Amino acid sequence: DVKVTQSSRYLVKRTGEKVFLECVQDMDHENMFWYRQDPGLGLRLIYFSYDVKMKEKGDIPEGYSVSREKKERFSLILESASTNQTSMYLCASSPPGLAGVHEQFFGPGTRLTVL
Amino acid sequence: AQKVTQAQTEISVVEKEDVTLDCVYETRDTTYYLFWYKQPPSGELVFLIRRNSFDEQNEISGRYSWNFQKSTSSFNFTITASQVVDSAVYFCALMSLSSGNTPLVFGKGTRLSVIA
Repeated sequence: DVKVTQSSRYLVKRTGEKVFLECVQDMDHENMFWYRQDPGLGLRLIYFSYDVKMKEKGDIPEGYSVSREKKERFSLILESASTNQTSMYLCASSPPGLAGVHEQFFGPGTRLTVL
Repeated sequence: AQKVTQAQTEISVVEKEDVTLDCVYETRDTTYYLFWYKQPPSGELVFLIRRNSFDEQNEISGRYSWNFQKSTSSFNFTITASQVVDSAVYFCALMSLSSGNTPLVFGKGTRLSVIA
């Protein structure tokens, strides 16, 4: 059974903290994505990666960075968390090929609260 | 620019009713893909269907059906004889070859509540 896992379902952090959100997939997918989901705004792409050590900015990369050192793992980093980064974060992966063409497999999400 | 509009923010129906979720898209590309995803209360988005722009055949899968009409730039989703388990947020999404920074553009979603 294909799977995308995220390190935490719920996370509470303080303003200014450095936050790591981890995502692991076991499907040998080249493409991986980080989205944030906010009420009334749908899903917005933060970053995506089409290969190890490769990354592309999405629509809202400000305040975030990513790391992809291994094919199966894609990390989202909040360098200095702020309250406006309180949100649901969703990780996804998809098979090789043009990013977005194929079905994406999603993780369960991490609900991050920044106090 | 690519855009997906799901005008219905929330819909509430009684079990066994039919319900249609609307999706209107904008793109200048002639080659593109359209998707529907379901997000149940557990939070994990689940893929339902993908359609490419060259295939306008409607699709039926059990109680689910999709109506793709290029003339109106719509890709609507109908659930027949709705059930409580259909309660979820449904997202329509678009992938165009000239998507720029965003490979897949999502609509804002429609929250469907099916009441027993």
